Amino acid sequence: EIVLTQSPATLSLSPGERATLSCRASQSVSSYLAWYQQKPGLPPRLLIYDASNRATAIPARFSGSGSGTDFTLTISSLEPEDFAVYYCQQRSSWPLTFGGGTKVEIK
Amino acid sequence: QVQLVESGGGVVQPGRSLRLSCAASGFTFSSYALHWVRQAPGKGLEWVAFISYDGSNKYFADSVKGRFTISRDNSKSTLYLQMDSLRVEDTAVYYCARDFPNYYMDVWGKGTTVTVSS
Repeated sequence: EIVLTQSPATLSLSPGERATLSCRASQSVSSYLAWYQQKPGLPPRLLIYDASNRATAIPARFSGSGSGTDFTLTISSLEPEDFAVYYCQQRSSWPLTFGGGTKVEIK
Repeated sequence: QVQLVESGGGVVQPGRSLRLSCAASGFTFSSYALHWVRQAPGKGLEWVAFISYDGSNKYFADSVKGRFTISRDNSKSTLYLQMDSLRVEDTAVYYCARDFPNYYMDVWGKGTTVTVSS
């Protein structure tokens, strides 16, 4: 099973600041990695797939990069609605796995 | 609009069974693979099971293999999760999600809560 480790666990930032979230895989997943956003009481929302492709209707301030074992989700300038928990997910091999999440909170 | 609605959750004793349903609308159900994903209280996401568009391929997380069964009825646009031999650690919100090619999830239901407790 591929283990995804996300860091940091919590990121405290102010609106307008840049957020950089990390996801590291225990073995190469090529570019087969997605990012999701989840707000309290709601289901996750797909943001990025195949490491760097934005999903439908996702704002351009969200971008993804990386390949192999190291991936980054960048939010260029945090909007109030961006404070949430973010998860990475790999589809390189079964079972599909998620990272433990990074909470982006208001500083 | 594209929608997934889960049902069937509840409180059940350890060792008992429960069947979840997920009703789809707004898209061609028979053309899409589907997933179940769960989230224990205060915890992260855990992928549970996958079924291909025609039901011919199925995959399960090791934690549920042999206890859970996934199925679908394309004539009813409904996905199912049969959960047997339930354990306390199966307590979670269960989401159904549409597969976004391939093996990502682009549409999610609001979830149904399963509580396993004596």
